[in-house]
Amino acid sequence: EVQLVESGGGLVKPGGSLRLSCAASGFTFSNAWGFSNAWMSWVRQAPGKGLEWVGLIKSKRDGETIDYVAPVKGRFTISRDDSKNTVYLQMNSLKSDDTAVYYCTTGQAGYQEYWGQGTLVTVSS
Amino acid sequence: EIVLTQSPATLSLSPGERATLSCRASQSVSSSLAWFQQKPGQAPRLLIYGASNRATGIPARFSGSGSETDFTLTISSLEPEDFAVYYCQQRSDWPRTFGQGTKVEIK
Repeated sequence: EVQLVESGGGLVKPGGSLRLSCAASGFTFSNAWGFSNAWMSWVRQAPGKGLEWVGLIKSKRDGETIDYVAPVKGRFTISRDDSKNTVYLQMNSLKSDDTAVYYCTTGQAGYQEYWGQGTLVTVSS
Repeated sequence: EIVLTQSPATLSLSPGERATLSCRASQSVSSSLAWFQQKPGQAPRLLIYGASNRATGIPARFSGSGSETDFTLTISSLEPEDFAVYYCQQRSDWPRTFGQGTKVEIK
């Protein structure tokens, strides 16, 4: 069973930076879908609000293309380290609107079957 | 950006009743639509993918239908654990987008 564990959340001042990590385990290597082939995504949820896709990083095999939602483009960067089964979300120039629980998620065929427990990011002075 | 509009915002029903949730896309997403359930303090759980396929371990009382721009999630007979918020999400285009959610509450 795939497990995703996020870390790195906390309280940060407006304009500050934070890096989130998502450590993955339990990928079965008996088939083609190991971590290195997984497309990894970040989704966030502001307090009392709905879900918002933040961004996605494809596998190296698929060009490691990265896509972001408009409000975070130019401020957030997603990267991955396949040797550590970890994906990162570097968040710069943080705003109060970025306050949310950030989830790491993945799944086969592009559907989000697996989710971490989430990590809370609070942007406040 | 593809906008997903869910209706109703809130559905008040009793256990044992049938729930019908709607998701409408601003443009065609073919069958590239998923449904998620989320309970307070928990991560979302995938229920339906490809518009009509149940995810692993999802009970048969959950079913999805539709294509192109109009989709429906049906819960045939509500169990106490089904009262939650439900989101649709498209994976047809970038960026991926979610609907605003439908809350199914106990009447």
